[in-house]
Amino acid sequence: GEDVEQSLFLSVREGDSSVINCTYTDSSSTYLYWYKQEPGAGLQLLTYIFSNMDMKQDQRLTVLLNKKDKHLSLRIADTQTGDSAIYFCADAMEYGNKLVFGAGTILRVKS
Amino acid sequence: EAGVTQFPSHSVIEKGQTVTLRCDPISGHDNLYWYRRVMGKEIKFLLHFVKESKQDESGMPNNRFLAERTGGTYSTLKVQPAELEDSGVYFCASSQTLGGGAYEQYFGPGTRLTVT
Repeated sequence: GEDVEQSLFLSVREGDSSVINCTYTDSSSTYLYWYKQEPGAGLQLLTYIFSNMDMKQDQRLTVLLNKKDKHLSLRIADTQTGDSAIYFCADAMEYGNKLVFGAGTILRVKS
Repeated sequence: EAGVTQFPSHSVIEKGQTVTLRCDPISGHDNLYWYRRVMGKEIKFLLHFVKESKQDESGMPNNRFLAERTGGTYSTLKVQPAELEDSGVYFCASSQTLGGGAYEQYFGPGTRLTVT
């Protein structure tokens, strides 16, 4: 079956950039997403990228997609303590279809 | 606009008992999804409703799980009888009809189920 993998933990200093990586196996993936989960809260969609794009930038967030290697990354510039959360990578084969998630990366930001 | 709400936020039951989880999607969202995260692992899809119809229930683990969405509004997920391995966080999400931004699924805070 389809698989999405992420590193489990990342620790950075406040003000540095964070890069969270994700790999997926399904070459039919159409949309790829990054969700954020803060303690006690639900999943918040941060950004998404369509599979025919290589990069998408949204304020402090930059998403890079290497479709050949099936590799997705999320870069957070000027990381703040409020960015501490679990970040989930997910993909979907069709518009509005079910999401396949990775296990999540815990981002810890040290002040 | 109210977000996706789930009830209860936490449920502790004994093995063999029955539990019913409820999800209220964002008003007007035809698509409703259930997902589950077990023991810090990946979040797994359970099923997808379009209005009151089950569009995809390929992720339902077994027949101890029953999901309903009568009237196409809120949904319930019943686990009967509960087993230890059912413990986890159950998330509900909703999205608008295709063509109306259906790529964005809005998630609720989840229900943490603990089976002892």
